[in-house]
Amino acid sequence: ETGVTQTPRHLVMGMTNKKSLKCEQHLGHNAMYWYKQSAKKPLELMFAYSLEERVENNSVPSRFSPECPNSSHLFLHLHTLQPEDSALYLCASSQDLPATGAELTNEKLFFGSGTQLSVL
Amino acid sequence: GEDVEQSLFLSVREGDSSVINCTYTDSSSTYLYWYKQEPGAGLQLLTYIFSNMDMKQDQRLTVLLNKKDKHLSLRIADTQTGDSAIYFCAESLGSNSNSGYALNFGKGTSLLVTP
Repeated sequence: ETGVTQTPRHLVMGMTNKKSLKCEQHLGHNAMYWYKQSAKKPLELMFAYSLEERVENNSVPSRFSPECPNSSHLFLHLHTLQPEDSALYLCASSQDLPATGAELTNEKLFFGSGTQLSVL
Repeated sequence: GEDVEQSLFLSVREGDSSVINCTYTDSSSTYLYWYKQEPGAGLQLLTYIFSNMDMKQDQRLTVLLNKKDKHLSLRIADTQTGDSAIYFCAESLGSNSNSGYALNFGKGTSLLVTP
């Protein structure tokens, strides 16, 4: 157990559905992230939040909409997805975000088990 | 961005040593990481090395870093069947980046340990 819990573990949805992925961390961390893990591709950072404010959006399509209501919870709202969006979506947290220009250094990432998403 | 490169597959016999190699891209990365992903689970940090070190040992794990060649390796001694997993190499994006909180991951090496 890493202290980062994601639900659901598996999700199958049609292209017209609306669903949400949930992430909760019990580590007292201030930063949370969404990563996408596609087959045969490196992990991609989608969104990063620090103290509930979004600080990174790596050109993610608007059909993915994150929400961070507090520092312990992170959601990813999904609507009108495409089959190529099928992937493992991983939530992660770290104690803090480093300052601009600094590195993650020892602010290690703690990952959840992910939600395996299939879009039909 | 440039890719962190890893071989995709490695198969070893139980009890042998495993060596997983990685070539990273950012010479200014301060930390380099090895993550392990077991089936159906998220990534778990195995170990990391500070860039001014050449080697780090942690029980059965040995990390070697060659900064000149930007080459990182993970050696697992006395490999067990429970070590079967996907191993990801990752680099911090370095002080030249404004996204220092993001890690640049490789595609992962699938390690299969056979009895």
